[in-house]
Amino acid sequence: DQQVKQNSPSLSVQEGRISILNCDYTNSMFDYFLWYKKYPAEGPTFLISISSIKDKNEDGRFTVFLNKSAKHLSLHIVPSQPGDSAVYFCAARKDQGGKLIFGQGTELSVKP
Amino acid sequence: GAVVSQHPSRVICKSGTSVKIECRSLDFQATTMFWYRQFPKQSLMLMATSNEGSKATYEQGVEKDKFLINHASLTLSTLTVTSAHPEDSSFYICSAISVTTGNYGYTFGSGTRLTVV
Repeated sequence: DQQVKQNSPSLSVQEGRISILNCDYTNSMFDYFLWYKKYPAEGPTFLISISSIKDKNEDGRFTVFLNKSAKHLSLHIVPSQPGDSAVYFCAARKDQGGKLIFGQGTELSVKP
Repeated sequence: GAVVSQHPSRVICKSGTSVKIECRSLDFQATTMFWYRQFPKQSLMLMATSNEGSKATYEQGVEKDKFLINHASLTLSTLTVTSAHPEDSSFYICSAISVTTGNYGYTFGSGTRLTVV
């Protein structure tokens, strides 16, 4: 039972353009969502998060949008840079300090 | 910021032997640690949650007698893969809870690449 889904395994974007990574979830009890960036053979690096009581959170080039009615969140990166190329995971949890459930990841490639 | 140190970064062992992976919180007390494994091109799958001083809680389908988790102190958790087999070859990652980091405490180690030959 995949509670967090990232249906796009890969995404290719031109440098300077917007990257949009999507994530869907099934469990309405999730109260907090996080996005991580990961390189092969390394641990995930935290990017940005959003509480279920909000619909948008912004941090520099990164913005996360949450649509609770659709159980959908997205990560926008603008402008995209070649250094953004990595695998991006969304994750969700049910309560503070609770375990994180990860999506399958989306490999982003930003072309110069 | 909070740092989690994971060792070793990579290990090769013979089939049938045991391997221990350490996860240390360097500058904070981790009351809860999580252990994940990741197969190539796949998601991070939670294996177990460990709370300091108590037995770990394993996810469905994870053999607790094969993957021994010990969380004896607030700064150290260990995962021991017992009687390892080639199918246990994977990337193992720990995560620790900290109340001081802005992301509600989820700090990850750098991972351990286990290869069983």
